[in-house]
Amino acid sequence: DTAVSQTPKYLVTQMGNDKSIKCEQNLGHDTMYWYKQDSKKFLKIMFSYNNKELIINETVPNRFSPKSPDKAHLNLHINSLELGDSAVYFCASSPNDRGLDYEQYFGPGTRLTVT
Amino acid sequence: GESVGLHLPTLSVQEGDNSIINCAYSNSASDYFIWYKQESGKGPQFIIDIRSNMDKRQGQRVTVLLNKTVKHLSLQIAATQPGDSAVYFCAENPSSNTGKLIFGQGTTLQVKP
Repeated sequence: DTAVSQTPKYLVTQMGNDKSIKCEQNLGHDTMYWYKQDSKKFLKIMFSYNNKELIINETVPNRFSPKSPDKAHLNLHINSLELGDSAVYFCASSPNDRGLDYEQYFGPGTRLTVT
Repeated sequence: GESVGLHLPTLSVQEGDNSIINCAYSNSASDYFIWYKQESGKGPQFIIDIRSNMDKRQGQRVTVLLNKTVKHLSLQIAATQPGDSAVYFCAENPSSNTGKLIFGQGTTLQVKP
């Protein structure tokens, strides 16, 4: 019944490793997003996809690569992890990415710790 | 640059009192604003939104006020309850052509019994 789900919930890994976070939404939405929340709770958008097409790509290191196999899934792959990548990553979805009155539904988050 | 800020990092209120959380935004072209609530260990949850052609919108126990002249947004929670304890974020959409939201840094609301 979960609207937006993410796996894993916790991820602890060493510097230099490559890891992926998966996101799925069962709301039938067209648009999905990845956000990063730092230790001060600041929430910043990283990417958005609309019907598998990249729409928003903020200034994010190219070690981060989103992949959308279909419009219900948006995965985040991170290469060569660094200490500064430690954060909580949230996936979100919305009915569309244009106009007003779109509500973004957030997943529970994935806490990534890089040691 | 674009930024959305909140006036106070922490707000402590007595249960039953009304709470007011403030937010200042910098992009005068923003036309859509949202308030989110984030409980510990969870993702942000939509509370209420408002378009730039409105100055007030009411929901269940919550009211959002928008003052475009001074670029200020506030969230009022009536009869604050312990379950309202959370971090509250305002967010703005600087362009209706994309779904991009710019979030403020959050205000922690603590409700004392």
